[in-house]
Amino acid sequence: GAVVSQHPSWVICKSGTSVKIECRSLDFQATTMFWYRQFPKQSLMLMATSNEGSKATYEQGVEKDKFLINHASLTLSTLTVTSAHPEDSSFYICSAVQRSYEQYFGPGTRLTVT
Amino acid sequence: QKEVEQNSGPLSVPEGAIASLNCTYSDRGSQSFFWYRQYSGKSPELIMFIYSNGDKEDGRFTAQLNKASQYVSLLIRDSQPSDSATYLCAVNNMGGGNKLTFGTGTQLKVEL
Repeated sequence: GAVVSQHPSWVICKSGTSVKIECRSLDFQATTMFWYRQFPKQSLMLMATSNEGSKATYEQGVEKDKFLINHASLTLSTLTVTSAHPEDSSFYICSAVQRSYEQYFGPGTRLTVT
Repeated sequence: QKEVEQNSGPLSVPEGAIASLNCTYSDRGSQSFFWYRQYSGKSPELIMFIYSNGDKEDGRFTAQLNKASQYVSLLIRDSQPSDSATYLCAVNNMGGGNKLTFGTGTQLKVEL
């Protein structure tokens, strides 16, 4: 149990375009999902908390107009990187909370902006 | 600032030995403690969680929690080369909702 999927697993896009990443909890319902970013050899950085049916809560320094989060159902959250630039290239990982703070991570999406 | 601290390593142990990974946290009100394993280029995988003082065993893994000392550890018995990874300690802070605060991780190398 506690399987979280992400799609796509990797994506290459041109500067200025937008990219949507999906995060799904496959065998449980998650009222809360999180989005993280990780640069090479660095720790996880929490970007935002996604709550089903309400607006996402963004961490300090994360541009909410650039990183759009939608948590439309109890099993799906999406992250859209708008007007992507090369500095947005990173490993984006979502997690879903099953119970009592247990976070299960998706496999991640590697974004490269050229 | 609510912090979780880990030694970055690398921690090198020979195959078959016990690997001991340590983590300290600053928020005395923390309730839940997690250990994640992250292989290079992959996302973290939950391997253990502990809520109460004492030891919790799962296979080759034992998590140890001492709330008075604000200390949580992970022991890996009979270490295997496949255990070589970065181990992240994570703590749920009081008032943080479901958010976890992660340490920067300890790199473990199990040598043949």
